[in-house]
Amino acid sequence: AQSVAQPEDQVNVAEGNPLTVKCTYSVSGNPYLFWYVQYPNRGLQFLLKYITGDNLVKGSYGFEAEFNKSQTSFHLKKPSALVSDSALYFCAVRDRNTDKLIFGTGTRLQVFP
Amino acid sequence: DAGVIQSPRHEVTEMGQEVTLRCKPISGHNSLFWYRQTMMRGLELLIYFNNNVPIDDSGMPEDRFSAKMPNASFSTLKIQPSEPRDSAVYFCASSRTGLEPQHFGDGTRLSIL
Repeated sequence: AQSVAQPEDQVNVAEGNPLTVKCTYSVSGNPYLFWYVQYPNRGLQFLLKYITGDNLVKGSYGFEAEFNKSQTSFHLKKPSALVSDSALYFCAVRDRNTDKLIFGTGTRLQVFP
Repeated sequence: DAGVIQSPRHEVTEMGQEVTLRCKPISGHNSLFWYRQTMMRGLELLIYFNNNVPIDDSGMPEDRFSAKMPNASFSTLKIQPSEPRDSAVYFCASSRTGLEPQHFGDGTRLSIL
């Protein structure tokens, strides 16, 4: 069965510092991976996806993610965090046979001024 | 793009009442998803449609829940009779078939008293 894991419930980082939100996956075959962000009282918003190609994927709001096949990871990164980045972040993998996304449990990012 | 539109944004009702949640997907999207989000269980996929046909309803909790998609621009999720444990935020999302990201509405916050 396909799955993603987000090992950290919460990540705290100071504004201006780099941030990393971790995600590992378990799939058979090539993975199709996504990151979403959820702000309070809003739906999930798409940040970026990895389908194939370059292992470093660039997305919205200055975020990027690094696909690492040997470590089965797809960590979300940003070089310099903003207070406004504070939100709930979800990693997801697309089911191979359908359009379903299998979401992780989410990681709450808190950026302190 | 108008985005995915959900109504109502908030619903408070007494247990035993029928609840109907509505969703208008993005024009041109042919997949539609209903999710439920709670603190305890996180984000759960309830059902999804492709070209107005239900493909996977394995996430629907029980027979009290039903979903329809009578045409490409409208879907409903109905709970009858409602129970306090149904209290959650319900999201609708739509996408094009394939590797395109899902676009989420801002959800309906449902409270069953």
